[in-house]
Amino acid sequence: GDSVTQMEGPVTLSEEAFLTINCTYTATGYPSLFWYVQYPGEGLQLLLKATKADDKGSNKGFEATYRKETTSFHLEKGSVQVSDSAVYFCALLPKAAGNKLTFGGGTRVLVKP
Amino acid sequence: GAVVSQHPSWVICKSGTSVKIECRSLDFQATTMFWYRQFPKQSLMLMATSNEGSKATYEQGVEKDKFLINHASLTLSTLTVTSAHPEDSSFYICSAIPGLNTEAFFGQGTRLTVV
Repeated sequence: GDSVTQMEGPVTLSEEAFLTINCTYTATGYPSLFWYVQYPGEGLQLLLKATKADDKGSNKGFEATYRKETTSFHLEKGSVQVSDSAVYFCALLPKAAGNKLTFGGGTRVLVKP
Repeated sequence: GAVVSQHPSWVICKSGTSVKIECRSLDFQATTMFWYRQFPKQSLMLMATSNEGSKATYEQGVEKDKFLINHASLTLSTLTVTSAHPEDSSFYICSAIPGLNTEAFFGQGTRLTVV
């Protein structure tokens, strides 16, 4: 079945540091890929998405590129802020009917001033 | 983006009572809504898929008689935790999609504590 694997956290870094969260997936066909962010005590917010190979999703300084050859969708940000402290989830949505998202385990990021 | 509102944000109830959680899509019609459960520091676990006007489809291991789902309209789905027990304490999150193969929009979650 479909699966998403992302690096375990917590990831602790200083303000203005470079952030990378690795995400790889296993799926039949070519799913859409997403990064969601969850702030403490809240639901999930869509951060960015990509629907086909080589697409780059970007938002709020975060970027991720859909790499079909490596089945990856790594999240990056060049200079993090304290407000980026949250849990980040990588997810895939298969093209087949069902619309069920498959989530990775989540990566907690803590940015210290 | 589209807004999904979940209510209440938190609730405390006594063991043995039932609790209803609402999930509303405020500015779009949701053909499908999903209910998730999230344990501390873990990922989301899909509980059930809810389609308007039909019975919910539950994931394996989820008790349908304990977690009653009703999707009476295209903008409202409810999850009722019946005869709640302390082990039902968790963070419950709903999501809604406006159509096939579209992105999901999430509610803000409901923290349920059963005492």
